[in-house]
Amino acid sequence: AQSVTQLGSHVSVSEGALVLLRCNYSSSVPPYLFWYVQYPNQGLQLLLKYTSAATLVKGINGFEAEFKKSETSFHLTKPSAHMSDAAEYFCAVSHLMDTGRRALTFGSGTRLQVQP
Amino acid sequence: EPEVTQTPSHQVTQMGQEVILRCVPISNHLYFYWYRQILGQKVEFLVSFYNNEISEKSEIFDDQFSVERPDGSNFTLKIRSTKLEDSAMYFCASLQGAGDTQYFGPGTRLTVL
Repeated sequence: AQSVTQLGSHVSVSEGALVLLRCNYSSSVPPYLFWYVQYPNQGLQLLLKYTSAATLVKGINGFEAEFKKSETSFHLTKPSAHMSDAAEYFCAVSHLMDTGRRALTFGSGTRLQVQP
Repeated sequence: EPEVTQTPSHQVTQMGQEVILRCVPISNHLYFYWYRQILGQKVEFLVSFYNNEISEKSEIFDDQFSVERPDGSNFTLKIRSTKLEDSAMYFCASLQGAGDTQYFGPGTRLTVL
């Protein structure tokens, strides 16, 4: 079975500081990994995804993540935080179902606060 | 840009009542999903739907739940007799089939009193 662990339910950074949101996964098969962002009162928006191509993945809004198989990690980073980055961030792993399609298993989320 | 839409945005109901949550997936997508997020908890998979039948369902998706694609555009989740613990945000998602990216709707917040 697949699972996702996000370390830190709340992360607070200053505007302009580095953002690091941690995600570790467990999967018995090569995973597909995703980061989604949820702004207040909105749905889930895809930030970026890893699907077995390049291990360093660039997403929208300046975010990127690196897949490290040896560490079973897929941490999300952004060099310089902006006030508009304040949101809830979810890491998810995609697992293969019997039908060949993939459902998502989500982590518990990390709420990012950006201080002025 | 095409997007998944959901109605209503907020539904309040009495315990024991039936509710139907509606979703309009992206038009050329083939796979459809329902997830839920209880307040303060993680997003959980409920069910997936393909070719007019359920592909996979989680333990949460018991006999009180059903899904349907009544026409070419809508995808619905019905809860037959709501319980207090059904209060959650329900997200619909769709996937084209060629890729692995699920696109999510804005959610319906269900409150069971």
